[in-house]
Order: sequence, then C-alpha cells, then structure tokens
Amino acid sequence: EADIYQTPRYLVIGTGKKITLECSQTMGHDKMYWYQQDPGMELHLIHYSYGVNSTEKGDLSSESTVSRIRTEHFPLTLESARPSHTSQYLCASSEYGPSGNTIYFGEGSWLTVV
Amino acid sequence: GNSVTQMEGPVTLSEEAFLTINCTYTATGYPSLFWYVQYPGEGLQLLLKATKADDKGSNKGFEATYRKETTSFHLEKGSVQVSDSAVYFCALSEDSNYQLIWGAGTKLIIKP
Repeated sequence: EADIYQTPRYLVIGTGKKITLECSQTMGHDKMYWYQQDPGMELHLIHYSYGVNSTEKGDLSSESTVSRIRTEHFPLTLESARPSHTSQYLCASSEYGPSGNTIYFGEGSWLTVV
Repeated sequence: GNSVTQMEGPVTLSEEAFLTINCTYTATGYPSLFWYVQYPGEGLQLLLKATKADDKGSNKGFEATYRKETTSFHLEKGSVQVSDSAVYFCALSEDSNYQLIWGAGTKLIIKP
C-alpha cells in the first residue's frame, strides 16, 4: 500500500482567495505529480516533479504553481482562486523499478470556489 | 505518439454478469500496462498491471492480459458485484519516461 496524503480533503473558498493544497508521501519516491479531474472524467496532468528543486508543467495549462523543496512534500498553490478552478485535485508519486513505473495516488482534494 | 483508448461508458450490468472493458493502446516501445479503479469520492487505486507481452495481471477477481499482437489490455471479471461500481482507467507507461498515458475512463454501474 502507498502512503500518500493530501489535505484538505474538501475545501470551499471564496473567489480571489489564495489556497495551498498539501501533498506528502512517506515512500521516498523521487517523482511526484498533480492531476486535475472533474468527477469520473479524464485525468489531466498539471504539474510534475522529478525530484527536489525540479518542477515541470504538465499537459493541461494551469494557473496553479508547485514547489519541491523536500522529497516528501509537493504542495500546489493557487494565488487567486476562481470558480473555474472548482475541481478535484489528485496528488501522486511513483517509483520506477523492475515492474515499470507504478503511480500511487492520494485520496484527492475537492476544491469548490464560490 | 502514445495513446490509450477505452470503451465509452457508462457500462451497466446486472450483478453476477460477466464484465469486459476494452482497452487498446499505441506505443512506440514496450510499455507497461495498468488498470486503475476510482470508487465514488475517492482517489485512484492501482487494480492490476502487466509489464510484458502475454503477462496476465489479476486482483480482486479482475484479470487483464497484455496482448502485443492486438495491442490490447482488456479488463475482465467473471461475476461482478454492486461494490464493483466505479470508474476504471487504463494506462500505459514506457521505460523512457516516467509519465503515464491515461485512457478517458469507463464508468461501470452494477445493478442488484
């Protein structure tokens, strides 16, 4: 089982507020990811990291930013939330081994911007 | 480029029915293949995986066989339960990078 934790699980905030979604993993994985997903729909990669001080933008353009100061921590920040940011945000990490690249997910953070 | 195509949902079945969710892929190399499941209100969980041709992944009664000749990785279960209702995602990963290429997901609804 993977140990990857996201907080908060659910958040309702007003337009224009700054928010940070936290993500931590205890597995020592170098690679971490943020996906955006509307309920039951496709996953869209918005950010990823290959390790400390590495951050890259994903396939879907996002107004959020990320940082990777420690291996275990990969927070996502929205400086000024808007209703269009309402979605589920999934954090993940991966190991690369003999079985290929296996990604493990947190339980997700549901964000509603009103 | 690499891609994954899944059958469109929702797929609606009665309890104890046989399940197949089709997944085909295109890849330039020799990918690993995965099925993930997402229960309502939760994140994604790895269901099963296969890393080379003819490998069969299995878990919780679900199976999928890596078919290189047909570039497929169809998910099957002999007798589904209401608790199997979820969204199922097929994905591939190539050795050359650390990204997963995702299918669009297939919603499965099992009726009692």
